Amino acid sequence: AQSVSQHNHHVILSEAASLELGCNYSYGGTVNLFWYVQYPGQHLQLLLKYFSGDPLVKGIKGFEAEFIKSKFSFNLRKPSVQWSDTAEYFCAVRANTNAGKSTFGDGTTLTVKP
Amino acid sequence: EAGVAQSPRYKIIEKRQSVAFWCNPISGHATLYWYQQILGQGPKLLIQFQNNGVVDDSQLPKDRFSAERLKGVDSTLKIQPAKLEDSAVYLCASSLREITDTQYFGPGTRLTVL
Repeated sequence: AQSVSQHNHHVILSEAASLELGCNYSYGGTVNLFWYVQYPGQHLQLLLKYFSGDPLVKGIKGFEAEFIKSKFSFNLRKPSVQWSDTAEYFCAVRANTNAGKSTFGDGTTLTVKP
Repeated sequence: EAGVAQSPRYKIIEKRQSVAFWCNPISGHATLYWYQQILGQGPKLLIQFQNNGVVDDSQLPKDRFSAERLKGVDSTLKIQPAKLEDSAVYLCASSLREITDTQYFGPGTRLTVL
């Protein structure tokens, strides 16, 4: 069975600070990896995803994530956060099979102070 | 493009009562997912449909939960009888197919069981 661990439950940053949210997964086979974001009062939406190829994935709003297979990690980064990045961030892993189901981490709440 | 619709948005019931949630996916999306998100946790997949067939329901508590997707479009998730621990947000998501396509989430139904 696959699992996902997000190390930080709540992160507080000032605007322009750099962000890195940790995500580690456990699964023995090939995986697809995702970061989702939920802004206050909005639906959960996809931020970026990794399926194959370049392990450095770029998403919307200046976010990127790096897949490090040897560390089973898929950390999310942004060089300079804005107040509008305040949201909850979820990492998810899916086994790369025909019936692969997504397993989500418990999320990290990011608060950006203006 | 209209998003995933869910109703009701909120529901309060007493334990041992029954409740049903409805989901209308994005038009043309073959795959539909129901997730349970307990406060402080990430979404947990309950059931996944491909058209009107079940792909995965391994985490659905089948003694009390049931779901159907008649005609491969709308879906209904039912809980009978409800327990206190069923208090959660129930999310519906849809995607064009399975593995490679983005999941689009609805606003969710917040269930409180008293």
